[in-house]
Amino acid sequence: KAGVTQTPRYLIKTRGQQVTLSCSPISGHRSVSWYQQTPGQGLQFLFEYFSETQRNKGNFPGRFSGRQFSNSRSEMNVSTLELGDSALYLCASSLWGQGESGELFFGEGSRLTVL
Amino acid sequence: AQKITQTQPGMFVQEKEAVTLDCTYDTSDPSYGLFWYKQPSSGEMIFLIYQGSYDQQNATEGRYSLNFQKARKSANLVISASQLGDSAMYFCAMRQTGDNFNKFYFGSGTKLNVKP
Repeated sequence: KAGVTQTPRYLIKTRGQQVTLSCSPISGHRSVSWYQQTPGQGLQFLFEYFSETQRNKGNFPGRFSGRQFSNSRSEMNVSTLELGDSALYLCASSLWGQGESGELFFGEGSRLTVL
Repeated sequence: AQKITQTQPGMFVQEKEAVTLDCTYDTSDPSYGLFWYKQPSSGEMIFLIYQGSYDQQNATEGRYSLNFQKARKSANLVISASQLGDSAMYFCAMRQTGDNFNKFYFGSGTKLNVKP
């Protein structure tokens, strides 16, 4: 069974630009979460989607948004990029809500550098 | 408020020895889940072990065991017979769940170095 796939793996943007990151969860997983990882703040929850609905959102500005499609694939978008948005963005899927213990299965991440 | 605390930023252990990574948590919910993840330098987070708040016995997965002390709110990870490939960052996490959400809180991590 294929794992969580994130694209692109690496990207470089400049301040003010926007970026879209993509995540394909493990087949059958309907819950998809996004986390931002930085050396200073560690791993921080961005949002979680389940069956195309955003169920919870972390403490991030409105520049951070996401969506989930009917096939459970998810995208997150960051508009008007700032230097502080440079981070590893991790996507995770789980079977939570489907009768399982719900551990997160992570992708390899998208490393965003904002210049 | 920080919900997960890992007080060991870095640790060294000799190959083949056991090591304990500390984790304490804070929650008022009676139902929660505790997890440990490993993050090698490649960046991918790898699930290691899970402990439910109602589980009576400590979880074990191969060389990994979780020392769960509910009254002390601690969930330490024990790695037995350390291997060079165990060198990585280790994160403790707690799952908070509600009617319609599933959210994980992560500690700041412990960098483990296994010496040959």
